[in-house]
Amino acid sequence: EAGVAQSPRYKIIEKRQSVAFWCNPISGHATLYWYQQILGQGPKLLIQFQNNGVVDDSQLPKDRFSAERLKGVDSTLKIQPAKLEDSAVYLCASSLTINAGKNEQFFGPGTRLTVL
Amino acid sequence: DQQVKQNSPSLSVQEGRISILNCDYTNSMFDYFLWYKKYPAEGPTFLISISSIKDKNEDGRFTVFLNKSAKHLSLHIVPSQPGDSAVYFCAANDTRGTNAGKSTFGDGTTLTVKP
Repeated sequence: EAGVAQSPRYKIIEKRQSVAFWCNPISGHATLYWYQQILGQGPKLLIQFQNNGVVDDSQLPKDRFSAERLKGVDSTLKIQPAKLEDSAVYLCASSLTINAGKNEQFFGPGTRLTVL
Repeated sequence: DQQVKQNSPSLSVQEGRISILNCDYTNSMFDYFLWYKKYPAEGPTFLISISSIKDKNEDGRFTVFLNKSAKHLSLHIVPSQPGDSAVYFCAANDTRGTNAGKSTFGDGTTLTVKP
C-alpha cells in the first residue's frame, strides 16, 4: 500500500514570496490533515479536511495561508506571502475516518521550508 | 497553554536496558492516547495507543501505561535497541463531538540507545 506522498521535499524562498505544497493521501482515506512542525516542537494542526470539506481551520493563519482539497483526494497548502517565522516542516497526514476511535494518522515525509 | 507535555527533551539509555518516556496532559476530555515514532527526514509513524478505559497496553517490546488520575502516561521499551533511537511524540485525542479526529501532540523526546 502506497503511503502519503508530499512534494516538494525541500523548498527555500525569500520572505514575501509565495510557495505551495502538495499532498496525496493514502487511497480511501477520508480525512486529511496539514501540520506545521517548528524545530524542537511537536506537529501543530493547521487544517483538517473530511473528504473535500473543512472540519477545522481554526489554527490556520488565513491572512497568508490557504488550503484546498478539491475532489476529496489530494490537497495543496499555499503560503502567500511567506514570513521568516514560516520556516518549518509542513507535514501532511491522512486517516481512514475521524470516527475510528484512536484515529491513527499516517504521515508523509514532510516538506522542509526555509524562508530567508 | 500546552495541553500535552513531554518534559524530557532527550533520553539516553544503554542497549538492552529499559527506556521510559513520559507524557503529561491537562485536558480531562482526552480519551485516547497514541505514541508516534519519528526518524530524521521521515514523517511520524504510529507506534502504540491506549484507550482511557484501560491502564495498560502491550505490544511486543512496547508497553504504554495510563494513570488517569494523575493525567500521566508513559511508554516503556524493553529491551531497548539501537534502532529505537528516534524522536517519540505523545498525542492525545478527544474522540467525541466536534473534536473527533484531532490529535494534540507533545513536543517530543529524543531517545538515543547506545550500543
